[in-house]
Parts: sequence; C-alpha cells; structure tokens
Amino acid sequence: AQKITQTQPGMFVQEKEAVTLDCTYDTSDPSYGLFWYKQPSSGEMIFLIYQGSYDQQNATEGRYSLNFQKARKSANLVISASQLGDSAMYFCAMREVSGGYNKLIFGAGTRLAVHP
Amino acid sequence: EPEVTQTPSHQVTQMGQEVILRCVPISNHLYFYWYRQILGQKVEFLVSFYNNEISEKSEIFDDQFSVERPDGSNFTLKIRSTKLEDSAMYFCASSGPQEHPRGGYTFGSGTRLTVV
Repeated sequence: AQKITQTQPGMFVQEKEAVTLDCTYDTSDPSYGLFWYKQPSSGEMIFLIYQGSYDQQNATEGRYSLNFQKARKSANLVISASQLGDSAMYFCAMREVSGGYNKLIFGAGTRLAVHP
Repeated sequence: EPEVTQTPSHQVTQMGQEVILRCVPISNHLYFYWYRQILGQKVEFLVSFYNNEISEKSEIFDDQFSVERPDGSNFTLKIRSTKLEDSAMYFCASSGPQEHPRGGYTFGSGTRLTVV
C-alpha cells in the first residue's frame, strides 16, 4: 500500500494566485513528521515546510502553509501568491519515528507550472 | 544554516566501473542516509547508517552497493560495478532531533550519476 499519495501529477496556476497541492499519507505510527520539498529543474531538493504529528497548529513558512488534517491523514501544501519561480516538482514526504531510523518515504510528486 | 555537502555534482562513468559518491553530513547529526532518484521518478530510500553500521536498507541496496564512514566527517556510497540502470540522482541526507530546523532532516544537493 502506498504510504504517501500525491494524486495530482501536474497542476498549473496563474501568477499571483494561490494553489493547493494534495498529499495523503498512511501510517499507524503515532509519531511522524510530514515534509514538503521543491525540486527545480536543476535537481536539488529544497526544503519548504515541516509538520510534526503532535503539532497543534498548521505549519507556515512565508508563502507556504501546510493544511494538516490529521483525522483525514492529509497534509496539503498551500502556496499563496504564486510566482514564476515556483514552477517545479513538489514532493510530499513522511518520516515515521518508530524504530528510530527515520527514513523518509516520498510521494510521486506534483509538477507545478505557474503561468504569467 | 549548516549544509550537507556532496561531491561531485555530476559524474559520468563507464558501465562496469566502480564509483564512489561522497558526502559530508552535518557535524552533530547522528543518522545518515542515501536516496536515489531515477530521472522523472520518485525519490527512493537506499540505506540508513547509524553508529557506524547500516541500520536499514531497501531492496535496491544489493551487494553492488556499500556505505562507509571512513573518518569523522565523510560518508560515502560505493557502487562496485555500475550498470546503465544505476544512472540517477543520488542524494545524501543526515538527520538530528526533530526540533532542529527543516524538521531535523537535511539533504545535500545531489550527485547526478550517468553510466554510459
């Protein structure tokens, strides 16, 4: 079974508009973390935002916010005021803490295109 | 902020040759990882390393792969006899406690390996 599901292979948005990228996850571990990364065409993984399973509030980092709905096991990324430079691949990932080794499990990614 | 450093950024090698990918993790992190991303696909976990030994490895990490921490700073991935299908981006990562920046997890900028 997929542990991280990103159902949108591609999305587009108009510049300056907001966009939501979907991510659902599956775990029985009560302690876990959720990450979003941006991967531009150059290939590096750029950290965007992190949400811990026990965090009471949704994480925010500048124009990025994470809509964390624990009961639904969803962790959608919201990008406000999109910019042309936001065009990239976006990956959701989960870290399960049990066992202590903390590998990340990635979704298949969503390719975002920002149009002027 | 401290960074994970990977060298080289790009390596081209002949099929059947050995390659060593190098990484310098963040100095006070205790867990180290290698991930692989075949072009256009998701990021896949290869191996995690803790306390000078492999703590977990995936099915991809077969006998052709090995990891080493030869000194107090470097962390290497060796592929003994490269195949065409080893062509991918290889990411090194290290992790510390979750309350650290970036959710306690930091990726290097990757080594793009091309096997010809």
